[in-house]
Amino acid sequence: GQNIDQPTEMTATEGAIVQINCTYQTSGFNGLFWYQQHAGEAPTFLSYNVLDGLEEKGRFSSFLSRSKGYSYLLLKELQMKDSASYLCAVRDNSGTYKYIFGTGTRLKVLA
Amino acid sequence: KAGVTQTPRYLIKTRGQQVTLSCSPISGHRSVSWYQQTPGQGLQFLFEYFSETQRNKGNFPGRFSGRQFSNSRSEMNVSTLELGDSALYLCASSPRGLAGTGYEQYFGPGTRLTVT
Repeated sequence: GQNIDQPTEMTATEGAIVQINCTYQTSGFNGLFWYQQHAGEAPTFLSYNVLDGLEEKGRFSSFLSRSKGYSYLLLKELQMKDSASYLCAVRDNSGTYKYIFGTGTRLKVLA
Repeated sequence: KAGVTQTPRYLIKTRGQQVTLSCSPISGHRSVSWYQQTPGQGLQFLFEYFSETQRNKGNFPGRFSGRQFSNSRSEMNVSTLELGDSALYLCASSPRGLAGTGYEQYFGPGTRLTVT
């Protein structure tokens, strides 16, 4: 079947580094996305990985291993405004599904 | 560039009624997807439209339907509303090109639907 797993909650300190993991199972993998969603707001696009390896964008980096069905989002130099939910999503070309989202990881950044 | 817009932002309906939600994508984006977001289930994919054609559909009953117009604006309709349809409905557009690029999605603010 199709499934995405990510931790429900994480807590980290301002200025620290945090890694949010995501594992997925899908039969028609065609890319993995990370989105940030602040409470009461819409998700905003952070990163896209379709090939194995690390993609870096400023303080945020995302890694993908297709053979392991695994990705992580790395946030450096954490700021209070990074407190949000982080959604892992997979684009799937099999069956009738298009994008499958995880339930999100709620990150709390403490001063 | 203006972002994705959705109207209305809030709706209260009664069981059995029907509702139509509207979404205007970012200018130049031809792909529009719809999602239902609830606290327990997270984001659930409803369907995607590209160039006025439904390209993909999630696992929702036939009461949920949509369409896309020639200007890429999209509407979603839910008939015979049930209490369980109460959710935030999000629309997302993407610049998806024919070369298989541009799959990232840009979300609108959503329509909060409450069914009583």
